[in-house]
Amino acid sequence: DAGITQSPRYKITETGRQVTLMCHQTWSHSYMFWYRQDLGHGLRLIYYSAAADITDKGEVPDGYVVSRSKTENFPLTLESATRSQTSVYFCASSERTGGRQPQHFGDGTRLSIL
Amino acid sequence: RKEVEQDPGPFNVPEGATVAFNCTYSNSASQSFFWYRQDCRKEPKLLMSVYSSGNEDGRFTAQLNRASQYISLLIRDSKLSDSATYLCVVNIKGYGDKLIFGTGTRLQVFP
Repeated sequence: DAGITQSPRYKITETGRQVTLMCHQTWSHSYMFWYRQDLGHGLRLIYYSAAADITDKGEVPDGYVVSRSKTENFPLTLESATRSQTSVYFCASSERTGGRQPQHFGDGTRLSIL
Repeated sequence: RKEVEQDPGPFNVPEGATVAFNCTYSNSASQSFFWYRQDCRKEPKLLMSVYSSGNEDGRFTAQLNRASQYISLLIRDSKLSDSATYLCVVNIKGYGDKLIFGTGTRLQVFP
């Protein structure tokens, strides 16, 4: 089915480990986004990408790395995971931004760092 | 002050009731406004855009008040299936390509 998919759905890892969250979309949307959602906070933007090989920081980028070598994929890497990065991570995409263009979200990855 | 503020609720209403949520935003340069719905920590889904003149989609009505910098969502004839968290979302001009999400208002509809 077309859409946006994230993997894994759930992940438990230990502090200091590297972990990569995957995001894949089949719409050929130009824009892709990574958010984290924590209690007491709205969705907070980590990184976003306007096109392949173009990425930019969001509100909370520290401790994360992204890449976008292909339009359809936008992986998020925690280079050395910390407990404060325990969260629910959502990937989203949109055809363009600005105006009334909504974002479409993946199912999320529940990440626990012990 | 947060860019987008919402009453977290919960709003507990019986089936058939009418309920309204407000959301205030701090940046007067805000351009576009949306309501998203999120069920129990699942992915947010677009409920409706909010237009300057107000707009309706079935039982849902959205209003925008630029002078007072708030948007509202009215739900008529509430259904059990409306139980969810409603996120107010703002696109701010000059903020690049990013949306600002409120923390959400939780609605619980009971029989």
